[in-house]
Amino acid sequence: GAVVSQHPSRVICKSGTSVKIECRSLDFQATTMFWYRQFPKQSLMLMATSNEGSKATYEQGVEKDKFLINHASLTLSTLTVTSAHPEDSSFYICSATKPGQGNEQYFGPGTRLTVT
Amino acid sequence: DAKTTQPTSMDCAEGRAANLPCNHSTISGNEYVYWYRQIHSQGPQYIIHGLKNNETNEMASLIITEDRKSSTLILPHATLRDTAVYYCIVSVYGQNFVFGPGTRLSVLP
Repeated sequence: GAVVSQHPSRVICKSGTSVKIECRSLDFQATTMFWYRQFPKQSLMLMATSNEGSKATYEQGVEKDKFLINHASLTLSTLTVTSAHPEDSSFYICSATKPGQGNEQYFGPGTRLTVT
Repeated sequence: DAKTTQPTSMDCAEGRAANLPCNHSTISGNEYVYWYRQIHSQGPQYIIHGLKNNETNEMASLIITEDRKSSTLILPHATLRDTAVYYCIVSVYGQNFVFGPGTRLSVLP
């Protein structure tokens, strides 16, 4: 199998505070992890690509100083939303690439962030 | 922009085969075709992927045309739990997925 977990599943925070979301590959070592954001009734949008031990690559329009990504090991990546604002409220989803033919991505269950 | 186009929505009767088409006319030789589905408020679920040969697993079959410009995902016996948004994605070795709006499949009793 290929299981990816996220924690927490939902979080509510106040404007100006920071929130950390964890993404773990439970039964495989992930060469690469990805972070996506999904607004209501929209599709997933890639925010950044993260490789263990190196700096994340951010997509155009995503502020790297606001969305801090740390990929400390082959099974753990974290996304920290700094100085959160209500417009950061969204569904954040991570994925991990399982090495092999095709390198398919396996997705976590997502984290619902609400900033008040 | 997504490199694939899919119908916005489809209906399928429970117990019948669901055939979901996807056009990827600009696919490159080293790009795979991946299929995922997303049930409301959950992360996408991997279904199947292929390069040029047809593929089958316990969930579905993937039929890729000989010119690789289109593909069809087949759910052989659709159930109510297969109601979801289905995404077709082309990518080199699982990198840089670009999600389009997908196809909203409704399985009807």
